Amino acid sequence: NAGVTQTPKFQVLKTGQSMTLQCAQDMNHNSMYWYRQDPGMGLRLIYYSASEGTTDKGEVPNGYNVSRLNKREFSLRLESAAPSQTSVYFCASMIGGASYEQYFGPGTRLTVT
Amino acid sequence: QQQVKQSPQSLIVQKGGISIINCAYENTAFDYFPWYQQFPGKGPALLIAIRPDVSEKKEGRFTISFNKSAKQFSLHIMDSQPGDSATYFCAATDSGSARQLTFGSGTQLTVLP
Repeated sequence: NAGVTQTPKFQVLKTGQSMTLQCAQDMNHNSMYWYRQDPGMGLRLIYYSASEGTTDKGEVPNGYNVSRLNKREFSLRLESAAPSQTSVYFCASMIGGASYEQYFGPGTRLTVT
Repeated sequence: QQQVKQSPQSLIVQKGGISIINCAYENTAFDYFPWYQQFPGKGPALLIAIRPDVSEKKEGRFTISFNKSAKQFSLHIMDSQPGDSATYFCAATDSGSARQLTFGSGTQLTVLP
């Protein structure tokens, strides 16, 4: 099992450009999450999908959109990138039920100039 | 609003020493308190977790101490090793929030050989 995979690993965008970060998991997990990590601020939840077909806003959703394409895939889209969105983005998944453990991907380092 | 406060921001310990990281939370609905370990360039990985019905949980050299009345919990790393050098995040969640994790700001631990 590959676990949680993310593409791309690195990306540089100019202000105003758009892009989609891809996330996939092969563990048959029900819930998926997108976080951003900034120095001194821990990880903050952007959006999550508790189950296939549902998505909800997290703590910092402004400037982002998500799509739960199917049970395996959860993408994060930046429609018009801003320098404030320079960050490391992590996708995570959780099986749900009695388990609270979230499994994280390796991250995407995004720089917006 | 930071609901989980973590300290210290950085910690340097000699090999064989005890590393202690503290967290405090505000939301009394939280019912699951995990600690995540993150190495440079990697995603966070679950290290150990506790529920509020116990005051302590030990797994090898890692122990969580939990004080429900004070709304505080801490991670103790006994016999710290250079391989423990990483960033540690405390987190909290509750069963009614689609298991969204609220993270502390992180502690960068360096264990000197």
